[in-house]
Amino acid sequence: SQQGEEDPQALSIQEGENATMNCSYKTSINNLQWYRQNSGRGLVHLILIRSNEREKHSGRLRVTLDTSKKSSSLLITASRAADTASYFCATEDSNYQLIWGAGTKLIIKP
Amino acid sequence: EAQVTQNPRYLITVTGKKLTVTCSQNMNHEYMSWYRQDPGLGLRQIYYSMNVEVTDKGDVPEGYKVSRKEKRNFPLILESPSPNQTSLYFCASFSPANTEAFFGQGTRLTVV
Repeated sequence: SQQGEEDPQALSIQEGENATMNCSYKTSINNLQWYRQNSGRGLVHLILIRSNEREKHSGRLRVTLDTSKKSSSLLITASRAADTASYFCATEDSNYQLIWGAGTKLIIKP
Repeated sequence: EAQVTQNPRYLITVTGKKLTVTCSQNMNHEYMSWYRQDPGLGLRQIYYSMNVEVTDKGDVPEGYKVSRKEKRNFPLILESPSPNQTSLYFCASFSPANTEAFFGQGTRLTVV
């Protein structure tokens, strides 16, 4: 099922700038996860934030979660050309189903 | 190494010729799932399985079958493929409750 909506659908920035992507969802969740997909390849897990957490960091990644607004954001700082990919959010609901957003396509210009 | 293995990676077939895409995981995950990905439509779930001998339809199950006879394997069967099943297919597995999903590398299927 898809309930998440990523915003924007596409984002193009200069190398070195920060990239911010947002995800909204509709139902209550156990956790929210972000994944990266390089063109035509399998999705790779980036970071998981539990429903009782508000912010989480992993290297250049920062994720926030606002359960009252049913939204999350992924910030990639100091972007690099290798960050060019599509980014997906997925929410795990109370039935342990993963529900996916449509993705944000990120392009980092050198 | 933890992984999900899909085969084949690429497949071109003709309408109506039955095919199977295999998926195997080595992490003892209970949950496995098949998705198709089409431009502009994101990931759409075809079927999922929460454990051995337990399978359920996802959002787009028509034209597909699955089975889960063993925990590690979750094959996707197209009994009579049609051109509208041309797509990029992904298998994924995870253990529910606050763990990440692992994806296979994908199978690009073309039905002519």
